[in-house]
Amino acid sequence: ETGVTQTPRHLVMGMTNKKSLKCEQHLGHNAMYWYKQSAKKPLELMFVYSLEERVENNSVPSRFSPECPNSSHLFLHLHTLQPEDSALYLCASSRGAGDYNEQFFGPGTRLTVL
Amino acid sequence: RKEVEQDPGPFNVPEGATVAFNCTYSNSASQSFFWYRQDCRKEPKLLMSVYSSGNEDGRFTAQLNRASQYISLLIRDSKLSDSATYLCVVNVGYGQNFVFGPGTRLSVLP
Repeated sequence: ETGVTQTPRHLVMGMTNKKSLKCEQHLGHNAMYWYKQSAKKPLELMFVYSLEERVENNSVPSRFSPECPNSSHLFLHLHTLQPEDSALYLCASSRGAGDYNEQFFGPGTRLTVL
Repeated sequence: RKEVEQDPGPFNVPEGATVAFNCTYSNSASQSFFWYRQDCRKEPKLLMSVYSSGNEDGRFTAQLNRASQYISLLIRDSKLSDSATYLCVVNVGYGQNFVFGPGTRLSVLP
């Protein structure tokens, strides 16, 4: 029933692989987000896009590369990851770019880096 | 001091109990506040937005105290289905920088 979908739901990759995570929102929202959720740690905001422009990058390593081709799609390109990057990667969207906009999350991609 | 802190929990309560969680935030410029719930191995889902002095939605009441920089969530008449981790979320006032607290785990017991 979610308006935000993510693929794949599970991903296992080696440290030398290149893969991409995909997020799509069907809510007509203008802002999209990538979060990382590691075991025993709070959700960490990675990237924010508003109207397809990146507005926030919370000091994320360059091995994570986001792409937002339009307001409905968001990608996270992964390359030369480390085992500590294993986590649940969550995509979210919100109606607008202001402070009071509630976020709606996708089901996440559970990533394991070997 | 962490930007957003929550009661560490876990809270184990019987069905029908009333339970309250607290959340404190460090940035006095924070403008918006939310409670989310997250079930095990699922995504967070919005429970309530918290505006001005607080609001109520059925069995759930959220309060905001700007002077003391904390928000609370009160759950009345707990149900088994309320068992989850409750996440406090604060927008720290510059753009879309949403900061999540570590969460408080609630288990409602039969």
